[in-house]
Amino acid sequence: KAGVTQTPRYLIKTRGQQVTLSCSPISGHRSVSWYQQTPGQGLQFLFEYFSETQRNKGNFPGRFSGRQFSNSRSEMNVSTLELGDSALYLCASSLGTMNTGELFFGEGSRLTVL
Amino acid sequence: DQQVKQNSPSLSVQEGRISILNCDYTNSMFDYFLWYKKYPAEGPTFLISISSIKDKNEDGRFTVFLNKSAKHLSLHIVPSQPGDSAVYFCAASAKRGNTPLVFGKGTRLSVIA
Repeated sequence: KAGVTQTPRYLIKTRGQQVTLSCSPISGHRSVSWYQQTPGQGLQFLFEYFSETQRNKGNFPGRFSGRQFSNSRSEMNVSTLELGDSALYLCASSLGTMNTGELFFGEGSRLTVL
Repeated sequence: DQQVKQNSPSLSVQEGRISILNCDYTNSMFDYFLWYKKYPAEGPTFLISISSIKDKNEDGRFTVFLNKSAKHLSLHIVPSQPGDSAVYFCAASAKRGNTPLVFGKGTRLSVIA
């Protein structure tokens, strides 16, 4: 069974640009959630999508957005990038909603903003 | 406001000894707790979980203890092995509510041979 796949793995952008990250969940999983990991801050919740609907949203500015497609694949977008957006962005999938079982994480997309 | 706290950023333990990682939470609605392990350049992987109806769950060398009155849980690793060196995240959720899985900031465990 293929795991959670995130693309791209690494990317470098400059301030003011925008970025789109992609996540393909484990086959059959309907929930996809996104987390931002920065040194000293742990994993901070961005949002969760279940069956194409956003179920939960964390405390991030509107520059951070996401969506989920009918095949459960998800994308997140960050517009007008800031230096502080440099982080590892992790995607996780689960069979049911994220608070009903364990999450399976991808390896992450490491974003560097210069 | 941090709902899940791991107050020790790092911990060093000798190989063969016990590693104890601690986690505190503030939200009394949390009823499901998990531990994840993360190696560099990899995503976190699920380690062990415990429901609030239990106070202990064991899986091989890993045991999680839950003290609901103190809102505290701990992960015990016995015996510790060099391959256990990783960052450990405590996480909590409220199954009955529409709440996301909340993670602590992590504890970096180093097991010294």
